[in-house]
Amino acid sequence: DGGITQSPKYLFRKEGQNVTLSCEQNLNHDAMYWYRQDPGQGLRLIYYSQIVNDFQKGDIAEGYSVSREKKESFPLTVTSAQKNPTAFYLCASSIRFGEQYFGPGTRLTVT
Amino acid sequence: AQSVTQLDSQVPVFEEAPVELRCNYSSSVSVYLFWYVQYPNQGLQLLLKYLSGSTLVKGINGFEAEFNKSQTSFHLRKPSVHISDTAEYFCAGAYSGAGSYQLTFGKGTKLSVIP
Repeated sequence: DGGITQSPKYLFRKEGQNVTLSCEQNLNHDAMYWYRQDPGQGLRLIYYSQIVNDFQKGDIAEGYSVSREKKESFPLTVTSAQKNPTAFYLCASSIRFGEQYFGPGTRLTVT
Repeated sequence: AQSVTQLDSQVPVFEEAPVELRCNYSSSVSVYLFWYVQYPNQGLQLLLKYLSGSTLVKGINGFEAEFNKSQTSFHLRKPSVHISDTAEYFCAGAYSGAGSYQLTFGKGTKLSVIP
């Protein structure tokens, strides 16, 4: 079955620690995205990548970093510089016309 | 900047009643429109899409939407809702820019189906 996997489903970290969220897809899509979702604010774009070894900042990139070394993988690191990291993080991929397919999400809680 | 506006943040409706979730988008030469559904603690699932052609688009779970260019709207409808339709619904528009299409999302509408 083709799809997008995100792991883990729930993640807990102490303040000041970096944490990496995993996103893998086997849809053979070129483009991949990371979004942050907070209650009442919809989805906000963190980073996106249209091709391997290239990525662009989205609307709220501060405090986050990404890499795209393989077509299938687009991990997101939430650094200690991110002031409010507790949120639901969604990864997506697309092949054309903006039509994006989403993973199940990772809920990150930082205390 | 492009924008997508969902006019209602919450919509309560009785089971088996019809529902309409409203969405307006900012006009552009080229725009593609989508509706997604999100169940609690899950990712977004594509309900339906408008790329071109017929302005009435049918999707999964009995939902449909109508693309109205003159009113820049893309409202989602279902003639009879079920308890299982309780979820949050997102309207999104894909606008061309820098050689790619980026999705702009509305803030979501929470549909609550009342037994």
